[in-house]
Amino acid sequence: DTAVSQTPKYLVTQMGNDKSIKCEQNLGHDTMYWYKQDSKKFLKIMFSYNNKELIINETVPNRFSPKSPDKAHLNLHINSLELGDSAVYFCASSFSTYEQYFGPGTRLTVT
Amino acid sequence: AQSVTQPDIHITVSEGASLELRCNYSYGATPYLFWYVQSPGQGLQLLLKYFSGDTLVQGIKGFEAEFKRSQSSFNLRKPSVHWSDAAEYFCAVGANNQGGKLIFGQGTELSVKP
Repeated sequence: DTAVSQTPKYLVTQMGNDKSIKCEQNLGHDTMYWYKQDSKKFLKIMFSYNNKELIINETVPNRFSPKSPDKAHLNLHINSLELGDSAVYFCASSFSTYEQYFGPGTRLTVT
Repeated sequence: AQSVTQPDIHITVSEGASLELRCNYSYGATPYLFWYVQSPGQGLQLLLKYFSGDTLVQGIKGFEAEFKRSQSSFNLRKPSVHWSDAAEYFCAVGANNQGGKLIFGQGTELSVKP
């Protein structure tokens, strides 16, 4: 069984478009996260949610809007995509603030 | 501010040789420390973690790490490397009062020579 899953795995789109990435976890965790990995493989946290409540919002442009319909899901919607948004986006989950388990990633390419 | 430094961007070892990947952190209190591994095109897999207690922690795939408070280090070791260990390794630091936020190092790419 997949613990943390993301869809889609690959996303190619043009500048200015709006896209969403979905994340689901079946680990029973109460906290979920979005991380961005740039072309140099540097990982940086974007958001975290605990029990559907936004906990961390790391100076991310407001074109990025996370939504957590329930504890098992955390989606990321991106408006007006820019070239600089090209990256790999990872979802992760944890029980409270303990170790995080990562999804397989979504490679976003903006052309 | 919290930070994590992995001084080695790329390391090459021979199969069967021992391995040590370095990690230094900066944090005011006792941190939570993690090592993750990322194979090409894959997500991050947790190798091991340190929260408290015994400073030598064992992880999966034969890895271990030692927390040294005096040196602000959490180096990853393996006595005998296998070709399948070739991957990117990330050290990360977190804290209980930071909402689960992890600060990652720059990563160390491990290549294994036959």
